[in-house]
Amino acid sequence: DIQMTQSPSSLSASVGDRVTITCRASQSISSYLNWYQQKPGKAPKLLIYAASSLQNGVPSRFSGSGSGTDFTLTISTLQPADFATYYCQQSFTFPLTFGGGTKVEIK
Amino acid sequence: EVQLVESGGGSVQPGGSLRLSCSASGFTFSSYAMHWVRQAPGKGLEYVSAISNNGGTTYFADSVKARFTISRDNSKNTLYLQMSSLRAEDTAVYYCVKSPAAILLLYYFDYWGQGTLVTVSS
Repeated sequence: DIQMTQSPSSLSASVGDRVTITCRASQSISSYLNWYQQKPGKAPKLLIYAASSLQNGVPSRFSGSGSGTDFTLTISTLQPADFATYYCQQSFTFPLTFGGGTKVEIK
Repeated sequence: EVQLVESGGGSVQPGGSLRLSCSASGFTFSSYAMHWVRQAPGKGLEYVSAISNNGGTTYFADSVKARFTISRDNSKNTLYLQMSSLRAEDTAVYYCVKSPAAILLLYYFDYWGQGTLVTVSS
């Protein structure tokens, strides 16, 4: 199975900060990496697909990069609505696997 | 507007069975692969199962293989997850998830249902 390792597992940041979350795959997954945002009690929401493509309707302050085994989700200017948990997910091979999540909290 | 509405969750004793349903609307259901993803209370996301657009190809995580079956009725725009021999570790919110393609791999999950809670406890 491909293991997806996210770091950090949590972070505290202030509104306006630039936030970077990393995701590392245990083997190459090309660009088959997706990012989701989940708020408490809600279903996850797709942010970024294929490593760097922004899903329709997602603010442009979100961006993704990387290929192979190392990937990054960046929030350029953190907004109050962005405090949530973020998950990466590989769609390269079965079993499809998620990272453990990164909780972004208010400092 | 795409809508995925799960139902069928509830409390069941270990060893019991439950069938989840997911009613889909707002898109051509028969054109897309569908998936189930679960989330244990306070935990991360775990992939469970998938079915191709025509039901011809399915996949199950090792943790549920031989206990769960997935099916779909394209005439009713409905996805199912039949769960049997349930264990305490199957306790989770189960999400019905849509893919933007007919095949099972290489694509992301573009729409999620609100989830239905399954609790396995004596």
